Amino acid sequence: GDSVTQMEGPVTLSEEAFLTINCTYTATGYPSLFWYVQYPGEGLQLLLKATKADDKGSNKGFEATYRKETTSFHLEKGSVQVSDSAVYFCALSDAGGGADGLTFGKGTHLIIQP
Amino acid sequence: GAGVSQSPSNKVTEKGKDVELRCDPISGHTALYWYRQSLGQGLEFLIYFQGNSAPDKSGLPSDRFSAERTGGSVSTLTIQRTQQEDSAVYLCASSLALLAGGQGPDTQYFGPGTRLTVL
Repeated sequence: GDSVTQMEGPVTLSEEAFLTINCTYTATGYPSLFWYVQYPGEGLQLLLKATKADDKGSNKGFEATYRKETTSFHLEKGSVQVSDSAVYFCALSDAGGGADGLTFGKGTHLIIQP
Repeated sequence: GAGVSQSPSNKVTEKGKDVELRCDPISGHTALYWYRQSLGQGLEFLIYFQGNSAPDKSGLPSDRFSAERTGGSVSTLTIQRTQQEDSAVYLCASSLALLAGGQGPDTQYFGPGTRLTVL
């Protein structure tokens, strides 16, 4: 079946540091890939997505590129802020053009210190 | 516009009781999804509806779990004879399901969740 593997946390960084959160996947089809974020006390929000190989999703200074050859979708940000502290989830959808549930990674707890 | 809403936000129940969790999707979204978020299991997909039908119920953890959707809108997730291992946050999401031009599945928008505690 499908699966998503992401680095375990917590990840602690200082403000303005460079961030990488690794995500790799296995899928039977040609999935769409997502990063969701859960800020403290809030619900899951879509951060960015990519639907085909070499696509780059970006939002709020975060980027991730769909790498089919390495089955990866690593999340990066050049300069993190305290407000980026949250739990980040990598996810995939193997539904083709239809609807189906997302397969999530375990989540990475990111802590940014001033 | 209004997002996905869920009720109750918190539910505490005794072991063996039945509970009903409600989800109100974004207006016009044809697809609706239920997930469970727990410390031990992370985020698990339970079931989805396309309109009022659920093509695949195999993600439900046991036969104590059931879900229905009527009128292509509100959905309820029912857990019968609750057990302590059912304690978790139950999340609902909705989407348009299909994007034009074969762009793949639409974004799923999540509700705030119902925190279920079984004593």
